[in-house]
Amino acid sequence: QVQLMQSGAEVKRPGASVKVSCKASGYTFTSYGITWVRQAPGQGLEWMGWVSAYNGDRNYAQNFQGRVTMTTDTSTSTGYMELRSLRSDDTAVYYCARAAKGVEPLGYWGQGSLVSVSS
Amino acid sequence: SYVLTQPPSVSVAPGKTARLTCGGNNIGNKGVHWYQQRPGQAPVLVIYYDSDRPSGIPERFSGSNSGNTATLTISRVEAGDEADYYCQVWDSSGDHRVFGGGTKLTVL
Repeated sequence: QVQLMQSGAEVKRPGASVKVSCKASGYTFTSYGITWVRQAPGQGLEWMGWVSAYNGDRNYAQNFQGRVTMTTDTSTSTGYMELRSLRSDDTAVYYCARAAKGVEPLGYWGQGSLVSVSS
Repeated sequence: SYVLTQPPSVSVAPGKTARLTCGGNNIGNKGVHWYQQRPGQAPVLVIYYDSDRPSGIPERFSGSNSGNTATLTISRVEAGDEADYYCQVWDSSGDHRVFGGGTKLTVL
């Protein structure tokens, strides 16, 4: 069965960076991409971007351009999302989800990774 | 950029029908996906491409999309349906995924 297992909770200082991982299993990793979505406390879902596990193509939301990097490691079937120059309003649960391309639904999600940014 | 508008909250009595709307400019021309999110859990896809149901989702969940409004309909509402519901489309002009603000469904 398809599973996406994310890394654990992180606490970071403002200005630091965080790298969240998403290990996939149960399907051919390179046939899909990884989408990243975040959710601030008490808020809605916010799309951050997508990376293809096939060829590394990336597409980032404008809000995160220049601050985020999404990558995949096909040898371990793992996706990564690195967010730099963290601010307090980056405190959120970060989710990965599987999608082949933008128009397709997000049928499988990771369990979420809480990133807390505080001085 | 493309905007999806959802009412913040909808309340319905058990056994009744809940209709959750998602408004957007000519949204009828786009494929709409709906996600259910219970407190403390990851979102779950309940309807995709306007009206298709993933395996394991009860037939009580259905969807439609026309004009400027997409609708998620939940028939015979149960206490377990209480959750936040998000609509989502792909904005091809901006080449990005867009979520609505979400609707909290309360079962009275």
